[in-house]
Amino acid sequence: EVQLVESGGGSVQPGGSLRLSCVVSGITFSNYAMSWVRQAPGKGLEGLSLISYNGDNTYYADSVKGRFTISRDNTKNTLYLQMNSLRAEDTALYYCVKMDGSDGYRDAFDIWGRGTMVTVSS
Amino acid sequence: EIVLTQSPATLSVSPGETATLSCRASQTVSNYLAWYQQKPGQAPRLLIYGASARATGIPARFSGSGSGTEFTLTIGSLQSADFAVYYCHQYDSWPLTFGGGAKVEI
Repeated sequence: EVQLVESGGGSVQPGGSLRLSCVVSGITFSNYAMSWVRQAPGKGLEGLSLISYNGDNTYYADSVKGRFTISRDNTKNTLYLQMNSLRAEDTALYYCVKMDGSDGYRDAFDIWGRGTMVTVSS
Repeated sequence: EIVLTQSPATLSVSPGETATLSCRASQTVSNYLAWYQQKPGQAPRLLIYGASARATGIPARFSGSGSGTEFTLTIGSLQSADFAVYYCHQYDSWPLTFGGGAKVEI
């Protein structure tokens, strides 16, 4: 069974930082592109960032570009999202998502984690 | 950025009936269109990819159609487990975008 387990969420003040992690099991992690998608409370879905199977290619939504960094460690089957300069509007449930392919963004999000909550408030 | 507009925002149907949800893209996305189901307190689940291909384990009562800018998700013979929010998603171009969601309620 494929499992994606996020951690690292919590409460932080505006301007602060958090690092999210996602441990993946049940698949050959290094074969797949991975992504982070968030959902603000009571709102819809927003694609944030994507990383290719080997980490060579990364993509960011304008809303997080320059503040968030996606990375992966294929030896640890782990995806990361480093979030800096956090704002109140970053408050959301952050999902780790497996892509249905290895590279680029032209694949659907086929497996989702349960998410980790990030709250940015003073 | 490609904007996806879903309609209706809320659809009230009875069990056993058919639900038809629409998704319109602001520019062509070819067939790079997926549909997801989300129930309260749960993560989204992939239903349809490539506009019309069912994901693994998805019942045949879920079907997708369309290409270019107009897409439809049809749920036949609605069951209680199907009452949820449905999102369309385009992955033709970055940034990847989602529709605003459509709630299917009893």
